Parts: sequence; C-alpha cells; structure tokens
Amino acid sequence: GAGVSQSPRYKVTKRGQDVTLRCDPISSHATLYWYQQALGQGPEFLTYFNYEAQPDKSGLPSDRFSAERPEGSISTLTIQRTEQRDSAMYRCASSLSTSGGQFFGPGTRLTVL
Amino acid sequence: EDQVTQSPEALRLQEGESSSLNCSYTVSGLRGLFWYRQDPGKGPEFLFTLYSAGEEKEKERLKATLTKKESFLHITAPKPEDSATYLCAVHPLVFGKGTRLSVIA
Repeated sequence: GAGVSQSPRYKVTKRGQDVTLRCDPISSHATLYWYQQALGQGPEFLTYFNYEAQPDKSGLPSDRFSAERPEGSISTLTIQRTEQRDSAMYRCASSLSTSGGQFFGPGTRLTVL
Repeated sequence: EDQVTQSPEALRLQEGESSSLNCSYTVSGLRGLFWYRQDPGKGPEFLFTLYSAGEEKEKERLKATLTKKESFLHITAPKPEDSATYLCAVHPLVFGKGTRLSVIA
C-alpha cells in the first residue's frame, strides 16, 4: 500500500477483555515494528519482525502481550486480559530493513475502562 | 543499555531565528541514528539517517550532523510550519523523548 495503515484507530474496551490491533505495512517492507507511545513521550519499543521471524520481543511488558506476522505482511498485536495501565497509543512502523528509516502508521488509541 | 537523551525539552523560536536541537546517545555499537518529526495526533515522520561520525544530511531548512556521542539537528531560518516535536532514535529501537519546537511568526 501507499503507507502504513492501522485498525482500529480507536478502541475502548473493558478491563479483562482481549483486544487485537492490526497493522498493514508498506508492501515492500521486510521489517515491521510495534511501539507504545504515551502522551509527550517518544515511542517505546515492544517487538519487531523481519518477514515472519520475530527476533526481538524484549519490549513486551508482560506475557499478556503477543504479536504475530504469519505471512510476513500484516501483523497483529494482541493484549489478553486488558488492564487499565494498558491504555495508550499503539504505533506500528515498517522499513525496508532494520538499518533503514521507519514509516509509521497513524496508531491505535486503546482505552481500557 | 542503549540510551538517548534529547535537549532542550522545549524550544520557542521567532521566525527566522536559527537554532540547534541536541541528541546525546550511548550505544554499544551504532547502527544508525535517526531523526523524525512528529506533529500532534500523528505518527512520527522519518527525516534522516546518519551512520557514521562526520556524516551530514540536509533537507530544506534542516541539517543533521553526527559525532561519536551526539547528533545535532540544525534549523536555519525556521518558519511556523516547522513547529513540531523532533525525535531522535538510535538503531531503530530506542527513541528519545523529543524536543517540542514552536516557531512564532
């Protein structure tokens, strides 16, 4: 596609529910990243993929968080048993390679009530 | 642990008043230093990548430079449309908190 897209743009859920966020990267990009961004802060790394492989998931805050990219294109970030502290902007980015600049999507604003 | 510190946190300039933003970094092996611009409510927009000390990149009124311990983003004769938060990152994975730039007409 022309740019990185994310869906939904906004998600409100109740504590304890599971949520899945989706990222559709630029089609030629091998590398895909997930970040969490608080207001007034820089993005904080969660995990990344090179095609289907997930070399680093050290930034995932707990085992309630997981990500997939089964066919090396679209990726999903799933948060199980959501907690209020999970409320944040979740951003996806893609790049040609890990040494290249990243192109960010518009983000998903998650609110856990 | 890789770290990025940006200063100042906020900067207010008059239109045409040139200045520089600083990004200090500590990294075990630099594989790239990145600058991004972020407008309110939007995702960061990629500006530059620098890979080695002494390297410089330019785009319109912006010029990024790199030393072994820091990078500068020089803004020459800024305009109000340059107002944004400027983020620095090492490799792709560690971002600074950003500098909020306001340019007043």
